[in-house]
Amino acid sequence: QQQVKQSPQSLIVQKGGISIINCAYENTAFDYFPWYQQFPGKGPALLIAIRPDVSEKKEGRFTISFNKSAKQFSLHIMDSQPGDSATYFCAASKTGTASKLTFGTGTRLQVTL
Amino acid sequence: EAGVAQSPRYKIIEKRQSVAFWCNPISGHATLYWYQQILGQGPKLLIQFQNNGVVDDSQLPKDRFSAERLKGVDSTLKIQPAKLEDSAVYLCASSLVRGDPLAKNIQYFGAGTRLSVL
Repeated sequence: QQQVKQSPQSLIVQKGGISIINCAYENTAFDYFPWYQQFPGKGPALLIAIRPDVSEKKEGRFTISFNKSAKQFSLHIMDSQPGDSATYFCAASKTGTASKLTFGTGTRLQVTL
Repeated sequence: EAGVAQSPRYKIIEKRQSVAFWCNPISGHATLYWYQQILGQGPKLLIQFQNNGVVDDSQLPKDRFSAERLKGVDSTLKIQPAKLEDSAVYLCASSLVRGDPLAKNIQYFGAGTRLSVL
């Protein structure tokens, strides 16, 4: 019940295109869904996060879409840029003092010129 | 604001040897996490501290891994003896305890220690 499944494993998108990464979770107690971005040799960094009381959150070119009934959420990167090339991880947790993150397996995004 | 500091950045050891990693969290962050990230996988939580107390160590292989956070600030993670399958990046993260519900759930990660066990 603690799994977070992420797809695709890798993604190649042309510059200016839309990158879409999908995640599904099982534990209905999860109420915090962040996306982390990780560049080679660096630790993950929070990109954007959503709570289940909203269906969409947008920050610049990054949008999270959330479907509570389907237990799915996705990251959309609009106007993808070569600088977006990185590994993206979805995650989920129950908010509170013991906010342990359960991560997906990651999506390696490459944005080509 | 200084980030999460980890050292060393890289470590190569032979199996059955011991190794220790050090983490200094962001100042004021009461919660500290150690994650193991195997190549091609997402980080997996090993242990979580709040101040100097353990909140969750359910996935820590306690026969070989140990961690401590004396005085509720710095932390060390030790592996003794190391196995080949321990080769991974060990990430430290920290977060606030109090504050806005979203803000206190943000975990800030260090760059990690890449361990190779030969």
